[in-house]
Order: sequence, then structure tokens, then C-alpha cells
Amino acid sequence: GPKVLQIPSHQIIDMGQMVTLNCDPVSNHLYFYWYKQILGQQMEFLVNFYNGKVMEKSKLFKDQFSVERPDGSYFTLKIQPTALEDSAVYFCASSLDRGANQAPLFGEGTRLSVL
Amino acid sequence: AQKVTQTQTSISVMEKTTVTMDCVYETQDSSYFLFWYKQTASGEIVFLIRQDSYKKENATVGHYSLNFQKPKSSIGLIITATQIEDSAVYFCAMRESTGYQNFYFGKGTSLTVIP
Repeated sequence: GPKVLQIPSHQIIDMGQMVTLNCDPVSNHLYFYWYKQILGQQMEFLVNFYNGKVMEKSKLFKDQFSVERPDGSYFTLKIQPTALEDSAVYFCASSLDRGANQAPLFGEGTRLSVL
Repeated sequence: AQKVTQTQTSISVMEKTTVTMDCVYETQDSSYFLFWYKQTASGEIVFLIRQDSYKKENATVGHYSLNFQKPKSSIGLIITATQIEDSAVYFCAMRESTGYQNFYFGKGTSLTVIP
């Protein structure tokens, strides 16, 4: 079936560096999300994105975070600069459209380790 | 305030028995959608089943079914004839029809199926 792909699966970087997490959503999907999960805890909403714009973001989506999807390529989450508390697994999800009955498909996550 | 609450942190059951996992939610919307996902040991997040708030019939998919009690804002997940591979963390989620239709997750219930 259709899959959301996340690249890389694991990223290790030094605190203060920039990191970009890449998500390749399902090809005809239009609505995208990023979630953050610290080990053993619930998934926390960061941001959703539709039609080239951020629709909603949470308090966890700090000023150092940004998202974009240039020209229908990867949907990216950029963190610049990174902090130790950014260490977590980041999940990308996509759904066909904005319909509230759509169950987003999730990628397998990118584990970010900030040293 | 938590919009979706799962009070059971972990459950263990014997293989081939039935298990129910609880979830309560909060919303002011008259129309909303409730979802259950499972997260496997590898981190993969899989959509299982959905309940539309305007439907009285409980949703059923394979050996998953829901116990939707709207007056109690409760959506329990029932797994019948549990199998070893059902061992995972189960997340309840809600999406409202209005606003930006954000997706709210509970903290998850860890299910262990014992052979």
C-alpha cells in the first residue's frame, strides 16, 4: 500500500547545528503533519501544513523550527539551531486532504539525537 | 487540557483472549472522528479503525471493534482472539471537524499478549 517515507531513519548532530528531516509523503496527499515523540511518551503535535502554508502549530514548534515543501518535493522539518531537548523521534504523516475523517498515514520516524 | 486521555498505561493478557482498552476525549464540536492506531516495537504506526461521531453503530474491522459511548465521551478498543503480534502500544486519537482539524493523541496503552 501507499507509504510515507522518512529520511534518514537516524540523525546524530551536535547541539547548535542545523538539521533537516525529510519526509516523502504519499504522492496524492495534500495535508501534512509533523509529530514529536520522546521515548516512551505520547506523540505530540508540532505542525500541520496545507497548500504551501502552516495551518496550525503547537507551542512545541519553536522559532527555531520551520517547515516547507518546495515544488512538491520532500516535506521538510528544519531545526536551526538544535538544542538538547530536541532529541526525540519525529514522525511525519500525510492525508489525502483536509477531511476530518481522513486517517493520516505515518512514516516510520526519524530518530534525532542531539549531543 | 488533555483532549484525549488513556488511563491504562499497560495491560497484559493471555493469547486468544479478549482485551478492552479505554479512551475518553473532550470536545465541544458536534461532529468529530475517533481513531485508534498501534505502534509496533519497531516504531511503525499503523491505523486500525475509525469511529464517526454521528454514527450510532460501533465500527468493526477484522478482530478490532469499538465500544462508542457518546454520552460518556468514551471510545474503547476491543481486540478479540488476541495474538502475540498484537503486542504493541495502542494510541487513541481524535480529530474535530471545525478549525484546523488537528489530530490529538492520547498517551497510549502498552499491550502485551502472553503465549
